[in-house]
Amino acid sequence: EAGVAQSPRYKIIEKRQSVAFWCNPISGHATLYWYQQILGQGPKLLIQFQNNGVVDDSQLPKDRFSAERLKGVDSTLKIQPAKLEDSAVYLCASSLGGNSNQPQHFGDGTRLSIL
Amino acid sequence: SQQGEEDPQALSIQEGENATMNCSYKTSINNLQWYRQNSGRGLVHLILIRSNEREKHSGRLRVTLDTSKKSSSLLITASRAADTASYFCATAYGGYQKVTFGTGTKLQVIP
Repeated sequence: EAGVAQSPRYKIIEKRQSVAFWCNPISGHATLYWYQQILGQGPKLLIQFQNNGVVDDSQLPKDRFSAERLKGVDSTLKIQPAKLEDSAVYLCASSLGGNSNQPQHFGDGTRLSIL
Repeated sequence: SQQGEEDPQALSIQEGENATMNCSYKTSINNLQWYRQNSGRGLVHLILIRSNEREKHSGRLRVTLDTSKKSSSLLITASRAADTASYFCATAYGGYQKVTFGTGTKLQVIP
């Protein structure tokens, strides 16, 4: 089966600019996650979708970050305006959902550098 | 804050040796998962152990779970250079399987 697709792989922007990341999960996966991974740390959950509804966005900085999942399939994460501290890898993952004992499948991420 | 904490933070061993990584967590869980991350890549799921299980095997991997101590261990036997990566534990809890990742163990296997 095709894996989780993310684009772009790399992005360099200046602070205060805007940026968007795209994720296409594995076909049939109901749950989609966006994580932020700062160098040397574990992934931190930003937002979790179940189909096209948000089930957890408690750690999403809502003053600058937004995310949507169109028709319960693809998802976009946006940062506007970016800060230096947003430099990180943004990972998308998906799982079958429903049953809590399902592993997550990750894309290779987008590495964001803020100048 | 991250619930899981791995120990050690870094581990360097010779090829053929066994590698053991530990994970501690704070709250009750549905399951605990271990993932591997190679440099510049996404995480790859290795093994999932449910809260009512105590031990699980998958190839050269052995995972134990002690819910009374809120801890888990991952053993990689007969390590290979290709096992060089960062390893993360992740705990799942709540009705929507909220998953929280630990801080990771960086494993280096020297050929």
